[in-house]
Amino acid sequence: GAVVSQHPSRVICKSGTSVKIECRSLDFQATTMFWYRQFPKQSLMLMATSNEGSKATYEQGVEKDKFLINHASLTLSTLTVTSAHPEDSSFYICSARVGSAMSSSYEQYFGPGTRLTVT
Amino acid sequence: AQSVTQLDSHVSVSEGTPVLLRCNYSSSYSPSLFWYVQHPNKGLQLLLKYTSAATLVKGINGFEAEFKKSETSFHLTKPSAHMSDAAEYFCVVRIDRGSTLGRLYFGRGTQLTVWP
Repeated sequence: GAVVSQHPSRVICKSGTSVKIECRSLDFQATTMFWYRQFPKQSLMLMATSNEGSKATYEQGVEKDKFLINHASLTLSTLTVTSAHPEDSSFYICSARVGSAMSSSYEQYFGPGTRLTVT
Repeated sequence: AQSVTQLDSHVSVSEGTPVLLRCNYSSSYSPSLFWYVQHPNKGLQLLLKYTSAATLVKGINGFEAEFKKSETSFHLTKPSAHMSDAAEYFCVVRIDRGSTLGRLYFGRGTQLTVWP
């Protein structure tokens, strides 16, 4: 089956530093990847949608200069949290879509998540 | 407008008893519907999905859900709960038409506790 991996699974960083999270589709090519943020005991909040080779589309209220997304290939997207602060501590989940949204017969697979703690 | 309402934030059952997790949706178009499970500090795992075929959908681990258009519901059930079913469950709607094509809408989640 389709597998999406994330690295690292957990990261602790100091306030003011930047941290990069990788999301890879291991056995398929994903034209579209998504980044979600999940606060404790809450649902997933879509942060941005990225298409390979294009700039990411950010949801309202998400700072694009703080959460840098790069989707350089069909199997890799990265999220960089720049100048991290304690309020950025959260669980970040990526997702990769297979197939075209226009066809409606596509699947979206989720990564295992990355727990970011900013001290 | 699209929305997903999970009617219970917490459900507690005893092991071996039935599970019912309720989900209602609102959609301008005929949606695709999903149930995902999330164990602590893990990603989401697909339990089952409805995409306009049979209204009774069977998923993994003995779960099933029935799409009822007249009630705009997609409740998740399991005849007999197991301790390993304890987790967070998300009902998700996907819109396959219009300006929000392909977008997923998440319910707030239902925490299932299974007592021995």
